[in-house]
Amino acid sequence: EAQVTQNPRYLITVTGKKLTVTCSQNMNHEYMSWYRQDPGLGLRQIYYSMNVEVTDKGDVPEGYKVSRKEKRNFPLILESPSPNQTSLYFCASSLSGGSQPQHFGDGTRLSIL
Amino acid sequence: GQQVMQIPQYQHVQEGEDFTTYCNSSTTLSNIQWYKQRPGGHPVFLIQLVKSGEVKKQKRLTFQFGEAKKNSSLHITATQTTDVGTYFCAGQETSGSRLTFGEGTQLTVNP
Repeated sequence: EAQVTQNPRYLITVTGKKLTVTCSQNMNHEYMSWYRQDPGLGLRQIYYSMNVEVTDKGDVPEGYKVSRKEKRNFPLILESPSPNQTSLYFCASSLSGGSQPQHFGDGTRLSIL
Repeated sequence: GQQVMQIPQYQHVQEGEDFTTYCNSSTTLSNIQWYKQRPGGHPVFLIQLVKSGEVKKQKRLTFQFGEAKKNSSLHITATQTTDVGTYFCAGQETSGSRLTFGEGTQLTVNP
């Protein structure tokens, strides 16, 4: 089944404790991206990747890192999480960028205390 | 940078009433996409519009892309409780590869 898989689905952690949210897709998509969703603010893009080893900042990249060493995986790293990063995070992928439909994962709800 | 604005933020309707959400971009778009997110779920792709003035229909849903390719609308005729959710538009600039999402319109339908 074609899908985008995120883990974990839920995480409660404390300020400053490094964490990684994994994202994997099995559709051989070139384009992957991370969004955060906050009430009233819609989906804001954090980082995106056009292909392996190619990543770029989205609208709200501060406090986040990403890597794209393999086509299928695009982890989101919070090296020193802070409470303002408490949010619902979605990973998405598409064949080739914004001209194609985005396939979203089920989301990861992060709470930073 | 590109901004995509969506109104209204919330809409409450009685079942059977019509519903419309509007999307406006600060720049010309190469395409616009619409997504639906059910409560507790993830955004799911509905449709993509590419041509100026394009109109597409999916059963009770009608999607329009403006002549200037800077605005779009989604109209639902005779809403049903299954239409509940948040509807997002997302636009791609003509000069870039990124997709920028609007703030979404949260629709509730009273039975």
